[in-house]
Amino acid sequence: LAKTTQPISMDSYEGQEVNITCSHNNIATNDYITWYQQFPSQGPRFIIQGYKTKVTNEVASLFIPADRKSSTLSLPRVSLSDTAVYYCLVGGNTGTASKLTFGTGTRLQVTL
Amino acid sequence: NAGVTQTPKFQVLKTGQSMTLQCAQDMNHEYMSWYRQDPGMGLRLIHYSVGAGITDQGEVPNGYNVSRSTTEDFPLRLLSAAPSQTSVYFCASSSIITTGESGGYTFGSGTRLTVV
Repeated sequence: LAKTTQPISMDSYEGQEVNITCSHNNIATNDYITWYQQFPSQGPRFIIQGYKTKVTNEVASLFIPADRKSSTLSLPRVSLSDTAVYYCLVGGNTGTASKLTFGTGTRLQVTL
Repeated sequence: NAGVTQTPKFQVLKTGQSMTLQCAQDMNHEYMSWYRQDPGMGLRLIHYSVGAGITDQGEVPNGYNVSRSTTEDFPLRLLSAAPSQTSVYFCASSSIITTGESGGYTFGSGTRLTVV
C-alpha cells in the first residue's frame, strides 16, 4: 500500500487560501487519492477524491500532477471552522478499499 | 438519518473485563472496518470485513475479535481489556467501489474507551 507524507502542521489566517501537499511516491496505477477532514472528538469526514489532473467540489479542490507522485488539497478562503486535521490517503480500488491506512495527518490551525 | 451508528459513546472498563462495541450502518455497504485512534495519532486499522461472513485482520488486531453475521452490523469484541486498549474507536463503512463519485468511507462518531 502506498505510503503518504504530509506536513505535520500548518497555520493560516482566516480568509486565506490553504494548500496542503501530500507525497505518495509509490502510488499504484489503480490507486485513487482521497482526503479526509477530522474535527476533535469526531470521526473523519470525506472531503474530496481524485485520480488525475484537477477535481473541484463545493468544499475544496484537488490538484494531481501527471506523475501522480504527489497531490495538493486546496481550501479556498478558510474560516475558523476549517481548523481540523486533514488526512491524505491513497488506495481505494476494489479489494484494497478496506485496508486504507491513515497517517498522522496535517493539523491546520486557522486564526483571525 | 442514514449513516454509521456506534454504541456506546463512552465506556470505562476494568482490566480483564470484556465488552462489545457495536457498529451498525443502514447504507447497505459491503465494507466495514474498525479503527483505533490514540491521542495525537492517526487511525490504525484493527479488523475489517468485505461482506457478511468475511473478516480479516488489519494493522493492530491483537486483543480484538470481530464477526459479520449481517451486512448491517459489525461488532468489535474486547476479550480481556488492558490499559493499552484505552483509545477512541471508530467504525467505518463504504460501498465496494470507493472511488469516483462514491464518497469514500463513512465514519461513526466514535466510542471513547478507558481501561483502568
